[in-house]
Amino acid sequence: DAKTTQPPSMDCAEGRAANLPCNHSTISGNEYVYWYRQIHSQGPQYIIHGLKNNETNEMASLIITEDRKSSTLILPHATLRDTAVYYCIVRFAMNRDDKIIFGKGTRLHILP
Amino acid sequence: DGGITQSPKYLFRKEGQNVTLSCEQNLNHDAMYWYRQDPGQGLRLIYYSQIVNDFQKGDIAEGYSVSREKKESFPLTVTSAQKNPTAFYLCASTRRDTGELFFGEGSRLTVL
Repeated sequence: DAKTTQPPSMDCAEGRAANLPCNHSTISGNEYVYWYRQIHSQGPQYIIHGLKNNETNEMASLIITEDRKSSTLILPHATLRDTAVYYCIVRFAMNRDDKIIFGKGTRLHILP
Repeated sequence: DGGITQSPKYLFRKEGQNVTLSCEQNLNHDAMYWYRQDPGQGLRLIYYSQIVNDFQKGDIAEGYSVSREKKESFPLTVTSAQKNPTAFYLCASTRRDTGELFFGEGSRLTVL
């Protein structure tokens, strides 16, 4: 079973920030949170990952709660091209090539 | 350019025939993965391999087989024992230092 739960779908107006939540209440101390997105009929694309601290890159920001039981992916200025399914997963990052389990993700609709 | 190449992109087969999907990577990654995706669903893990000549079953391995004779290659065979083989199949590999998953473009198998 997936270690994460996400809402099945969300809407966001174009130009606004999209905030996608993820619950990972059973995360262990050494597991990272990763986010991927999948545009229709393509392979998923890596967005960002983090362990404890908040992270930001050119695509998004990742906010992890202090107890690490949940996180939020933020797309600061959503565009129509951000319409996709977003997956949150937890896994060990370095030197641990273990099972990587995906949940069903959140289908994000960006509204014009 | 480095990446993961899956072939064929589209494949049609008659029921009862075995089918082999190719996955090749030139990223020098140790670990490789096969996922299955059904319409509107998330990714489900079929098999994964952490190193050459070794592989483990994922959550839905029944009716599938794999081999890992070379680091670069991780072919998936969909056997006649797989009850519902029509699906989108994704291959991935992981970068060891960051844990980032790289995906191929997928192979869409339709069994008639």
